[in-house]
Amino acid sequence: EVQLVESGGGLVQPGGSLRLSCAASGFIFSNYSMNWVRQAPGKGLEWVSYISRDSSTIYYADSGKGRFTISRDNAKNSLFLQMSSLRDEDTAVYYCARGPPYSGYDSWGQGTLVTVSS
Amino acid sequence: SYELTQPLSVSVALGQTARITCGGNNIGNKNVHWYQQKPGQAPVLVIYRDINRPSGIPERFSGSNSGNTATLTISRAQAGDEADYYCQLWDSSTGVFGGGTKLTVL
Repeated sequence: EVQLVESGGGLVQPGGSLRLSCAASGFIFSNYSMNWVRQAPGKGLEWVSYISRDSSTIYYADSGKGRFTISRDNAKNSLFLQMSSLRDEDTAVYYCARGPPYSGYDSWGQGTLVTVSS
Repeated sequence: SYELTQPLSVSVALGQTARITCGGNNIGNKNVHWYQQKPGQAPVLVIYRDINRPSGIPERFSGSNSGNTATLTISRAQAGDEADYYCQLWDSSTGVFGGGTKLTVL
């Protein structure tokens, strides 16, 4: 069974940093590109970042460029999102999602809540 | 940047057909995916690349895409289909989601 489990969310002050993790199991992690998608409270889905299977290709939404860094460790079946200079508007549930750009995201984690507030 | 437009809400009578649209400039030339999200749950892919259903998704769910509109069609709507639905595509190295449509089954 495919499983994606996010962790690392929490309360952080504006300007602070946080590192999210996503532990994958039930599939060959290195065979799949991965994404982060977020959802602010009561709002819609927003794509955040993409990383290819071998980390050679990385993309970011404008909202996170220069502040967020996506990475992965295929040996540990893990995906990461390092977030810095956090703003109030980064408050959201962050999901990791499996899938290449043109085929949709076929598996999602349960999400981890990031709250940016003083 | 590319924008996707969805109606805020759609209502359908139990057992009838619901159609949820997703508008975008020449969207017919792109691969569109659809997600269902129920309250407190993660999204679930219900249609990928315009017309394809992942395993486990009922045949009642179908998709189409032409011109400036992609459409998710839910036939014989059930109470369990009540959810938010999002269209999504990839454009210029960016993932793009529509604003979402709340489907109410009456």
